[in-house]
This record gives sequence, structure tokens and C-alpha cells, in this order.
Amino acid sequence: GDSVTQMEGPVTLSEEAFLTINCTYTATGYPSLFWYVQYPGEGLQLLLKATKADDKGSNKGFEATYRKETTSFHLEKGSVQVSDSAVYFCALSLNSGYSTLTFGKGTMLLVSP
Amino acid sequence: DGGITQSPKYLFRKEGQNVTLSCEQNLNHDAMYWYRQDPGQGLRLIYYSQIVNDFQKGDIAEGYSVSREKKESFPLTVTSAQKNPTAFYLCASKAGQGTQPQHFGDGTRLSIL
Repeated sequence: GDSVTQMEGPVTLSEEAFLTINCTYTATGYPSLFWYVQYPGEGLQLLLKATKADDKGSNKGFEATYRKETTSFHLEKGSVQVSDSAVYFCALSLNSGYSTLTFGKGTMLLVSP
Repeated sequence: DGGITQSPKYLFRKEGQNVTLSCEQNLNHDAMYWYRQDPGQGLRLIYYSQIVNDFQKGDIAEGYSVSREKKESFPLTVTSAQKNPTAFYLCASKAGQGTQPQHFGDGTRLSIL
């Protein structure tokens, strides 16, 4: 079946440090890839997405590139802020019908001043 | 503002009691989904519905039931058969087929008294 693997957290960084959160996937079809962010006590917010190979999704300084050859969708940000502290989820969805999301287990990011 | 409203935010259940979690959306989305979130587990799909009066089981449907009588509403009932219901429950909706992302509500936290 389809699956998503994320690096385990927590990831602890100082403000203005570079962030990478690794995400790899396996899928039976040709998926779209997503990063969602969850702040404490809240639901998930879509951060960015990519729908085909070599697409780069970007939003709020975060970027991720859909790499079909390595089945990866790593999340990066050049300079993190304290306000970026949250849990980040990588997910995939097959591009057919109202297909469901398959999530990774999430990676907690903690940014200190 | 368009969005997904989940209520209540916190819910307590006594042993042997059924409880119903509300999910309403005014986004005119066709598909709706229920997920369960446990610490370190990521999100797991309980049920989903693509059209009114139709729904499908997800990965962990046992002990849960749903209905879809209106496009806007997709309530989830946690029955007494669900032996470990303590979790954070998230409702989501999706506009169309294929590459559209899912949009999430703010969740309901269910606890056992």
C-alpha cells in the first residue's frame, strides 16, 4: 500500500537556522504530495503542495521539490523563526477521484530564540 | 468566511456511552473525511464520503459510524464499541477530484471520564 516516511523529531533549532525535514514515499500510482502544518491545539493547515515530478511547492519561505527519482519531498526553509514551531506532516494523495490522504507520522519542530 | 466548523472543541464520554462529533462546511465541497490523531501516530482515516447519502470505511472504522444526509454536514458517532476513543478527531473536506488539497477543521478532543 501507499506510505509516507518522515524523519522523527523533535527537530530543535535556533532562530535563523536552516531547516530540512526529510520525507519519502511509496505509492502504487502517481501521487500529489503535500506538507501540512499543525500548531498546538489546532487542525492542519496546508503549507504547500506539488502535483507532478520536478514541481516545487513554496509558501511562507518554505519550499519542497517533488523528486520522482528518489521518491522524496523534503521540506526546507532558509531561516526559521520561533513562530515556525509546530508539527509538520508530509502526505500523499493519488490523483484519481476523491482519493484519501496518506500521512507520515509528523515531525515536531522547536525553534528557540 | 468559508471554512469547516467542528464542535464541540472538547468532549467527554462516559463508559458505555455514544457521542456524536459535529462537522459542518460551507465551502460547497463534495467530499468529506474523518481522521483520528494519536500522539506519534500521525493521522488515520476513519470514514469518508464523496457524495450525499454515500460513505466508505477508512482504515480504522470499527467502533465508529457516520451519516451524510446533507452536503454540508458529516457527523461522526463514536460508539461504545470503540474501546479506546480518547484522541483528537479531525474533519476535512475537498473541493474536487484529483489534485485538490483537503481542508481541515480545528478538531475535537475526546476524552473518557
